[in-house]
Amino acid sequence: NAGVTQTPKFQVLKTGQSMTLQCAQDMNHEYMSWYRQDPGMGLRLIHYSVGAGITDQGEVPNGYNVSRSTTEDFPLRLLSAAPSQTSVYFCASSYRTGSSYNSPLHFGNGTRLTVT
Amino acid sequence: GENVEQHPSTLSVQEGDSAVIKCTYSDSASNYFPWYKQELGKGPQLIIDIRSNVGEKKDQRIAVTLNKTAKHFSLHITETQPEDSAVYFCAASRGNDMRFGAGTRLTVKP
Repeated sequence: NAGVTQTPKFQVLKTGQSMTLQCAQDMNHEYMSWYRQDPGMGLRLIHYSVGAGITDQGEVPNGYNVSRSTTEDFPLRLLSAAPSQTSVYFCASSYRTGSSYNSPLHFGNGTRLTVT
Repeated sequence: GENVEQHPSTLSVQEGDSAVIKCTYSDSASNYFPWYKQELGKGPQLIIDIRSNVGEKKDQRIAVTLNKTAKHFSLHITETQPEDSAVYFCAASRGNDMRFGAGTRLTVKP
């Protein structure tokens, strides 16, 4: 199993450009999420999905869109990139989440995005 | 929403010593508390987790304790080795929203 695969590993954008960060998992996990990691701020949740066709906002959703058309894929779209979106982005998946039970997150190796 | 604070932000220990990292959380309904280790250029990896119905859990040199009343939990690493050097994150969650602490950079000096 490859686990959680993120592409690309690195990306440089100009302000105003759009792009999609790809995330795929082969573990048949229901739950998928996107985090951004900035120095001194840990990991902040952008969007998450509890299954195909279902998405919801996390802590810092502005400027990002997501969709979940299949169990395996959860792309993150930057509509109009801004320098404040310079960060490392991590996709993560989990077998199950819910108010009564959580299973661990499995992370990809990240996409380092620079917006100039 | 949940707020997780983590201390210290950096920690340097001598090989063989113990390391302790502490976290506090704000939402008393949080019921799952994982710890992740992140090495350079990689995504975080789970090293140990604890659920709210358990007070302590051990896995070889790693242990986690949870005090629900005080809303804090701690990671203990004994007999540290240079390969333990990494950034460690605590997290707390209730349901679908997992919040992370800001991280602790642990350096183990040979």
